[in-house]
Amino acid sequence: DQQVKQNSPSLSVQEGRISILNCDYTNSMFDYFLWYKKYPAEGPTFLISISSIKDKNEDGRFTVFLNKSAKHLSLHIVPSQPGDSAVYFCAAHDSGGYQKVTFGTGTKLQVIP
Amino acid sequence: GAVVSQHPSRVICKSGTSVKIECRSLDFQATTMFWYRQFPKQSLMLMATSNEGSKATYEQGVEKDKFLINHASLTLSTLTVTSAHPEDSSFYICSARVSGTGGNSPLHFGNGTRLTVT
Repeated sequence: DQQVKQNSPSLSVQEGRISILNCDYTNSMFDYFLWYKKYPAEGPTFLISISSIKDKNEDGRFTVFLNKSAKHLSLHIVPSQPGDSAVYFCAAHDSGGYQKVTFGTGTKLQVIP
Repeated sequence: GAVVSQHPSRVICKSGTSVKIECRSLDFQATTMFWYRQFPKQSLMLMATSNEGSKATYEQGVEKDKFLINHASLTLSTLTVTSAHPEDSSFYICSARVSGTGGNSPLHFGNGTRLTVT
């Protein structure tokens, strides 16, 4: 049962354009959402997060949008840079216990120079 | 700050042997650490939550006798894959939150361990 889904396994974007990565979730108990970036043979690194009480959070070139009614979130990267090429994981957790983080399957982003 | 060191980065072992993977928080204390496993082209699957000074909490379907977790100090958790078999070959990643920062603080990940069982 995949509670966090990233339906696009890969995405190619031209340098300078906008990259939009999408994520859907099914667990209505999730109240905190995060995006992680992962390079091959390395652990994920935290990128940006959003609480369920917000619908947008922005940090430099990265913006995360949350649509609670649709159980959907997206990560916008603008302008995209070649160094952004990596696998992006959407993740979520609830407020209970150890706040165990559930990850999506990842989207491989390739930014073409 | 908030660096997690995982060792070894790569290990090859023979079927039936045991392998220990270490996860250290270098510049912070971590009361709780998490062990994940990633299969090729798949998500990171949480295996267990490691708690300093107490027993680990395993996710459903994860054999606790096969994947032994010890969290002996606030900066070290170990995962031992016992009697390894080829199907245990995978990428294992540990993560930790800085103690006292609350559940919404992000996880900090090690660089993972690629285990190959021959």
